[in-house]
Amino acid sequence: GDSVTQMEGPVTLSEEAFLTINCTYTATGYPSLFWYVQYPGEGLQLLLKATKADDKGSNKGFEATYRKETTSFHLEKGSVQVSDSAVYFCALSNYGGSQGNLIFGKGTKLSVKP
Amino acid sequence: DSGVTQTPKHLITATGQRVTLRCSPRSGDLSVYWYQQSLDQGLQFLIQYYNGEERAKGNILERFSAQQFPDLHSELNLSSLELGDSALYFCASSGTGANTDTQYFGPGTRLTVL
Repeated sequence: GDSVTQMEGPVTLSEEAFLTINCTYTATGYPSLFWYVQYPGEGLQLLLKATKADDKGSNKGFEATYRKETTSFHLEKGSVQVSDSAVYFCALSNYGGSQGNLIFGKGTKLSVKP
Repeated sequence: DSGVTQTPKHLITATGQRVTLRCSPRSGDLSVYWYQQSLDQGLQFLIQYYNGEERAKGNILERFSAQQFPDLHSELNLSSLELGDSALYFCASSGTGANTDTQYFGPGTRLTVL
């Protein structure tokens, strides 16, 4: 079945450091890919998405490119801030396989130190 | 604010009891999804409703049931509760057209079973 694998955390960075969180997926057909963020004590917020190969999703300085050849959707940010501390989830939605529900990775906790 | 509301925010109950969690989707969204977030299982899809009809089922226990009402709000009923049912329960909704694959999450209901 469809699945998402993302790098284990926690990830600890200093402010202004470069961030990469790796995400790879297994899916039939052509899934849509998402990054969601969960701040402490809150629900999930959509961070960015991409719906087809080579699409780049971007929001709040975060970017991720849909790479079909490597089945990856890595999250990057050039300069992290303390306020980016949260748990980040990679997810896919595949109407061809999963009837539209989201399949999530296990989440990566990011801590940014001043 | 995603526009998805969930009540109650917190729920504490005893084993063997039954509870009902409520979700109101974003205005105009026809699909409602329920997810369970626990430390050991991560984020798991439970069930989806579309315009009042069950559309897809995930890892939902037989003790759990859901429905979507004519005004599109949804309820998740959990019965014969066990300690292991303690988790965060999220509702999400999605719309139609180009963004049908994008789900917006509510703030969640934290269920504690004692």
